[in-house]
Amino acid sequence: EVQLVESGGDLVQPGGSLRLSCEASEFTFSSFYMNWVRQAPGKGLEWVSYISSSSRITFYADSVKGRFTISRDNAKKSLYLQMNSLRVEDTAVYYCVRREYDAFDVWGQGTLVTVSS
Amino acid sequence: QSVLTQPPSVSAAPGQKVTISCSGSRSNIGDNSVSWYQQFPGTAPKLLIYDNHQRPSGIPDRFSGSKSGTSATLGITGLQTGDEADYYCGTWDSSLSAGVFGGGTKLTVL
Repeated sequence: EVQLVESGGDLVQPGGSLRLSCEASEFTFSSFYMNWVRQAPGKGLEWVSYISSSSRITFYADSVKGRFTISRDNAKKSLYLQMNSLRVEDTAVYYCVRREYDAFDVWGQGTLVTVSS
Repeated sequence: QSVLTQPPSVSAAPGQKVTISCSGSRSNIGDNSVSWYQQFPGTAPKLLIYDNHQRPSGIPDRFSGSKSGTSATLGITGLQTGDEADYYCGTWDSSLSAGVFGGGTKLTVL
């Protein structure tokens, strides 16, 4: 079964850092563009970041630009999100998402990041 | 404030049809394909429609999508209580170089 499994979510203080990981299985990870999408408690979906299959191209939402860094290791079939200078408003469930046919076709179960003092 | 505009809620009786609108601009819906997602409480979103009107394998034909200009619509026929969920539209915005979603629409099957 095609699957994405996130990890790394935790409670962190404002200004702190956290690294999220996502492990892919049962598909050729290196062939797909990947994304992070987040959802604050009780709120809608917010796209966070995108990385091309070769890592050559990355994009970020304005709300995280300069603070978050997306990366991938195709040999390990893994996607990462390094989050620095975390803010209370970054509190959300973070989803690792595969992109295919210009849509987000496979979603992980999500990992919760809570930023609070 | 979401880049794409959806109604906060819609409702209809079981067996009836409902439509959910998604309004954007030329740089997003106008220039790119639209996808739709279904999300139940506490679970990850699920792809319902891609490329404006295509259904992934396993999605019943009760769900349909369309696009015209800078707007898109999700249609659901033969409503079931199990369709009660939040629905989101999404696309790419060429000017922002960013993914964008609508604010979500809560469907209630009365």
